[in-house]
Amino acid sequence: GENVEQHPSTLSVQEGDSAVIKCTYSDSASNYFPWYKQELGKGPQLIIDIRSNVGEKKDQRIAVTLNKTAKHFSLHITETQPEDSAVYFCAASPANFGNEKLTFGTGTRLTIIP
Amino acid sequence: DTEVTQTPKHLVMGMTNKKSLKCEQHMGHRAMYWYKQKAKKPPELMFVYSYEKLSINESVPSRFSPECPNSSLLNLHLHALQPEDSALYLCASSQGILRRSSGKKNIQYFGAGTRLSVL
Repeated sequence: GENVEQHPSTLSVQEGDSAVIKCTYSDSASNYFPWYKQELGKGPQLIIDIRSNVGEKKDQRIAVTLNKTAKHFSLHITETQPEDSAVYFCAASPANFGNEKLTFGTGTRLTIIP
Repeated sequence: DTEVTQTPKHLVMGMTNKKSLKCEQHMGHRAMYWYKQKAKKPPELMFVYSYEKLSINESVPSRFSPECPNSSLLNLHLHALQPEDSALYLCASSQGILRRSSGKKNIQYFGAGTRLSVL
């Protein structure tokens, strides 16, 4: 089955700086890669996703890059703000257009220092 | 509206109790999921329902019994749980089976979870 590794496990950055979280996956059949943000006491919320036919995707301050050959993908947050503090999970799934079985990474606790 | 509603928010039960967790969505989604999340860990898939039929059971112990009465509701019946079953139980939903040509993505939307404590 799929195995997703995520680094770092914790990350502290000064407000306004950039944050980068990296994930690697093992199953070459995976071609859908969402990123979820989980705040304290809440369920995970999708913040951005990418398919394997796209190398990069950007949504305002958030971007995701994918290297399918190397089987890794990264989340980039620029101009970080205190409300970006949360746990971030990457995930991978074979997009069989049915019941996507998401395999999550181990999570990164991001702390933005004011 | 991308809301998945879970009740109750918190639940404390003894090992001999029987209780149920409920999940509801009104997005017209036809796939619904139960995940278990231990502290400081990622969500782990337990069950997937597709068009009200159980399609994936990740070898979950029989003391957890899922039920999908209709396309909007998902229940998780609990019986004779162990203290190690204490966790956050998350429900999610997604559109379900999509045609590749639709260009749509099967995004999973999560509820806030039920925090379960087994004494």
